[in-house]
Amino acid sequence: ETGVTQTPRHLVMGMTNKKSLKCEQHLGHNAMYWYKQSAKKPLELMFVYNFKEQTENNSVPSRFSPECPNSSHLFLHLHTLQPEDSALYLCASSQDFRPPIYEQYFGPGTRLTVT
Amino acid sequence: AQKITQTQPGMFVQEKEAVTLDCTYDTSDPSYGLFWYKQPSSGEMIFLIYQGSYDQQNATEGRYSLNFQKARKSANLVISASQLGDSAMYFCAMREGDSGNQFYFGTGTSLTVIP
Repeated sequence: ETGVTQTPRHLVMGMTNKKSLKCEQHLGHNAMYWYKQSAKKPLELMFVYNFKEQTENNSVPSRFSPECPNSSHLFLHLHTLQPEDSALYLCASSQDFRPPIYEQYFGPGTRLTVT
Repeated sequence: AQKITQTQPGMFVQEKEAVTLDCTYDTSDPSYGLFWYKQPSSGEMIFLIYQGSYDQQNATEGRYSLNFQKARKSANLVISASQLGDSAMYFCAMREGDSGNQFYFGTGTSLTVIP
């Protein structure tokens, strides 16, 4: 596998379910990101991890819980979600933060539908 | 204020013609990077081109070039010889030197290439 992979690609869950999204990067990067992309809205940064440490949490509701066990893996644990949480969830990775010359590489995304 | 502004929600271009997608940015950081991404209907964000704030020349990558006008704070993407496969959403993004954790994305431009 190369690049950034995400599983599952599609997920339908009820509001009382608990599920997890998985992201894995094979690029040797040390920063990983979770984004939410809703229809007709800009990409929303949710969480940032650098060397497994969380460096950003953009006021994300606690029903979203990230986990980064190592620099290659990132999880997003979901529980008691709301219908408005339905969106495309994108994972990305990049090389060191500074200087700001390194692009992000994105996974294919998980299309989440909350019923 | 918006960090990245893309004022064209949708654009059409004839196959084999060139098209310019607009992007303006707002930052007081002297060190920053500007990025363009393509998002086909499949959902994956694909990195296209990068321009650094200190770069003297406009970036080019194949059929993609970036028209960087620093004084105007604009970083327009030019796609030459459009192909049907270029139909997608295009996002402009910025990364600042002092807060390199974050990538700021615009709302995107939907490009349709007409045969």
